[in-house]
Amino acid sequence: DAGVIQSPRHEVTEMGQEVTLRCKPISGHNSLFWYRQTMMRGLELLIYFNNNVPIDDSGMPEDRFSAKMPNASFSTLKIQPSEPRDSAVYFCASSLSGRPTNEKLFFGSGTQLSVL
Amino acid sequence: RKEVEQDPGPFNVPEGATVAFNCTYSNSASQSFFWYRQDCRKEPKLLMSVYSSGNEDGRFTAQLNRASQYISLLIRDSKLSDSATYLCVVAYNNNDMRFGAGTRLTVKP
Repeated sequence: DAGVIQSPRHEVTEMGQEVTLRCKPISGHNSLFWYRQTMMRGLELLIYFNNNVPIDDSGMPEDRFSAKMPNASFSTLKIQPSEPRDSAVYFCASSLSGRPTNEKLFFGSGTQLSVL
Repeated sequence: RKEVEQDPGPFNVPEGATVAFNCTYSNSASQSFFWYRQDCRKEPKLLMSVYSSGNEDGRFTAQLNRASQYISLLIRDSKLSDSATYLCVVAYNNNDMRFGAGTRLTVKP
C-alpha cells in the first residue's frame, strides 16, 4: 500500500494567496484527519471526516480555512487568503474506524507551508 | 488548559539509561490512549497503545491511571535510535484524537 499521500511536500507562497493542500488516504480507510504542527502549539487537530462527512471542525482556526472530502479517496484543505502565521507543517492522517479509537492512525509525510 | 499535557523536555540521557515520560489529560471521557513517536522532520508513527492494565513491548512499558488521568511511557536500556519526540495521544469514542505537544528525547553515546 502506498500509504497516505499528501501534496505538495513544500509550498512557499505570498501573503494573501490561496493555498490548497491535498490528501489521498489509504484505500479502505473511512476516517480522515487534518492536523497542523508548529513549534509553539504542537500538533493540533483541525478537522476530521468519517465516511466523507465532516464530524468536527472546531479546530479550524477561522473562516479562511476550509476542508472538503468529495469522495473516499481525496480531501483538500484550503486557506484563502493565507497569512504568515499559517506557516506550519500540515499533516493528513487516515484510519479504519470500526471499533472507535482503537485503530492505528497513519500519517502522510506532511506539507511544509511557508507564507511570506 | 490544554487537553493533553506533556513535559516538553528535552531529556538528554546516556545510552543504556532508563527514562520515563509522563502525560496528563483533562477530559475524563477519554476512551483510548497511545504513544506516538516522531523523528525530526518526519510524520508521527504509532509506538504503542496504552491499556488499562499496563502493557509492555520489548524495552517499552506504557501505563495508564484513569483515576489520576495520567499516562506514562518507560524506556529501558535506551538506544541512540530512541532519540525522537514522543507524543501522548488521547482519543474519544468518535475517533477524535488529540495529541500532546511531545517530549523530546536525545540519547547520547
